[in-house]
Amino acid sequence: ETGVTQSPTHLIKTRGQQVTLRCSSQSGHNTVSWYQQALGQGPQFIFQYYREEENGRGNFPPRFSGLQFPNYSSELNVNALELDDSALYHCASSPGGGGADTQYFGPGTRLTVL
Amino acid sequence: QKEVEQNSGPLSVPEGAIASLNCTYSDRGSQSFFWYRQYSGKSPELIMSIYSNGDKEDGRFTAQLNKASQYVSLLIRDSQPSDSATYLCAANAGNNRKLIWGLGTSLAVNP
Repeated sequence: ETGVTQSPTHLIKTRGQQVTLRCSSQSGHNTVSWYQQALGQGPQFIFQYYREEENGRGNFPPRFSGLQFPNYSSELNVNALELDDSALYHCASSPGGGGADTQYFGPGTRLTVL
Repeated sequence: QKEVEQNSGPLSVPEGAIASLNCTYSDRGSQSFFWYRQYSGKSPELIMSIYSNGDKEDGRFTAQLNKASQYVSLLIRDSQPSDSATYLCAANAGNNRKLIWGLGTSLAVNP
């Protein structure tokens, strides 16, 4: 069974640029959630995708957008990057159905905005 | 505003002792509760989930849930230095699969 994978592991961008983060969900999982975690903070929910549809969104501006593909992999896109977007971004997948809320995290992507 | 609250710590215990981590939640509709461990710079790792009132044991870990009092706790027996990490508590937000997270409790196990 393959776990959750994310790419890239690290990246550096400058303010105003756009970035795409990618996530492959664990085999058999149809739900993907994205989180932002700033240093010293708990994960902040960005949004969730279930069977290719957005299924809940946190308090993030529209410049944070996402996609889920038929194979349940997912992308997080952030436009017009700001310095405060520097954080660790997590993707977590869950199986759906009973026990659907148990989320399994990928290794994360560290984004630095200069 | 639905919240999950934890003491930030740091909680410091000697090796071999029991570490007790606590969490309270505000949404009475929450049904699923989770404890994750996070090492610095790494992603959260699931330790345990709990859905029913009472205790649930898994190895050195015991989760306790009291829905009437809206608290969840995690006990770590025979604490090891490798248990030193931040422990995150999460609860689902009602019917949505969204999880609400606490800020985490930092645990230090001293040899």
